[in-house]
Amino acid sequence: DVKVTQSSRYLVKRTGEKVFLECVQDMDHENMFWYRQDPGLGLRLIYFSYDVKMKEKGDIPEGYSVSREKKERFSLILESASTNQTSMYLCATVSGDRYYGYTFGSGTRLTVV
Amino acid sequence: GIQVEQSPPDLILQEGANSTLRCNFSDSVNNLQWFHQNPWGQLINLFYIPSGTKQNGRLSATTVATERYSLLYISSSQTTDSGVYFCAVERGGGADGLTFGKGTHLIIQP
Repeated sequence: DVKVTQSSRYLVKRTGEKVFLECVQDMDHENMFWYRQDPGLGLRLIYFSYDVKMKEKGDIPEGYSVSREKKERFSLILESASTNQTSMYLCATVSGDRYYGYTFGSGTRLTVV
Repeated sequence: GIQVEQSPPDLILQEGANSTLRCNFSDSVNNLQWFHQNPWGQLINLFYIPSGTKQNGRLSATTVATERYSLLYISSSQTTDSGVYFCAVERGGGADGLTFGKGTHLIIQP
């Protein structure tokens, strides 16, 4: 089975801090994704990457950046955290042939105070 | 973009009942998945089912791609089946990510 590990389950940060959310997958998949989930708004795609050093904007990239220096690791960066970025963040991965479909990590609940 | 609609939005059943959750999508897709979100927030992949029928224990799913809908069946419900069920689709042509429906919130009462 594919394993997707997110570095923190719960995180509390202060407004204006730079925040790093880390995601690691163990299946050598090309594609990795970051979503956020909010009540009433569902899951929305922030950024994704289809290869090392490659990145594409999703539906709501504003206020975020990403880094993919190694194939197994995809980082989401909040350059200057704001309270409206308080959310559940979910990382996902999928192989190029979609054989097993998407696999998600356990999520990071981020609170910005 | 593609639209994904799930129904019903909420469902309350007694333990042992059967249920059918529906997912309609607005365009052709190369990937469709059903997920169960557990109380801790993790999305558990139930089925990868762009077309056809699959079964896994008390759960089964059917996707009729030509008519743009998918159904998730839960038989003999248990309280541990409670949670939110999401349908998510992906159009073809590249890694552009899943588009999710709003989910069905299922409560199984003992």
